[in-house]
Amino acid sequence: QQQVKQSPQSLIVQKGGIPIINCAYENTAFDYFPWYQQFPGKGPALLIAIRPDVSEKKEGRFTISFNKSAKQFSLHIMDSQPGDSATYFCAARSGAGSYQLTFGKGTKLSVIP
Amino acid sequence: GAVVSQHPSRVICKSGTSVKIECRSLDFQATTMFWYRQFPKQSLMLMATSNEGSKATYEQGVEKDKFLINHASLTLSTLTVTSAHPEDSSFYICSARDRWLLAFFGQGTRLTVV
Repeated sequence: QQQVKQSPQSLIVQKGGIPIINCAYENTAFDYFPWYQQFPGKGPALLIAIRPDVSEKKEGRFTISFNKSAKQFSLHIMDSQPGDSATYFCAARSGAGSYQLTFGKGTKLSVIP
Repeated sequence: GAVVSQHPSRVICKSGTSVKIECRSLDFQATTMFWYRQFPKQSLMLMATSNEGSKATYEQGVEKDKFLINHASLTLSTLTVTSAHPEDSSFYICSARDRWLLAFFGQGTRLTVV
């Protein structure tokens, strides 16, 4: 049972476009929702994160929108650049125990010049 | 953000030998570290949760005798792949959790067993 569903699997946008990646979760015990960026052959890097009591968070060109009632959250990348081409993973953290992360399956983003 | 250093970044070993991968939190103490395995074009699969000074907790289906985890200090956890076989070839990634419960990842280790 996948607890965090991520879509789309892949995404191609032109430079300057605004790619949007969506995630949905089921477990209401999740308390923290980070997004990670991963380049080939590298470990994931924390990009931006949000808590469920906030509806939107913006850091630079990256924005998370969070809909608690729908149990959905999304990542928007403004003015996308070829250097943003990477795989993006959404995640949700359990609010107890080991506070481990549950990851979505990832979205491969390609930004073409 | 906090820095997690993982070594080696790449290793090639012969079938039947053991390989040790180190994960260090450089600028914070991590009572909990996580080990993941990632297959090509797939997401991260949690293998085990490592707590300093105690035995690791393994996810279902992960052989604890094959993947030995030691978390002897607040800044170091190691994963030893014992008697490695070609099917163990994969990308292994560690993660360390800081006191605010945020997770930071190492650079990953590409293991190739020949």
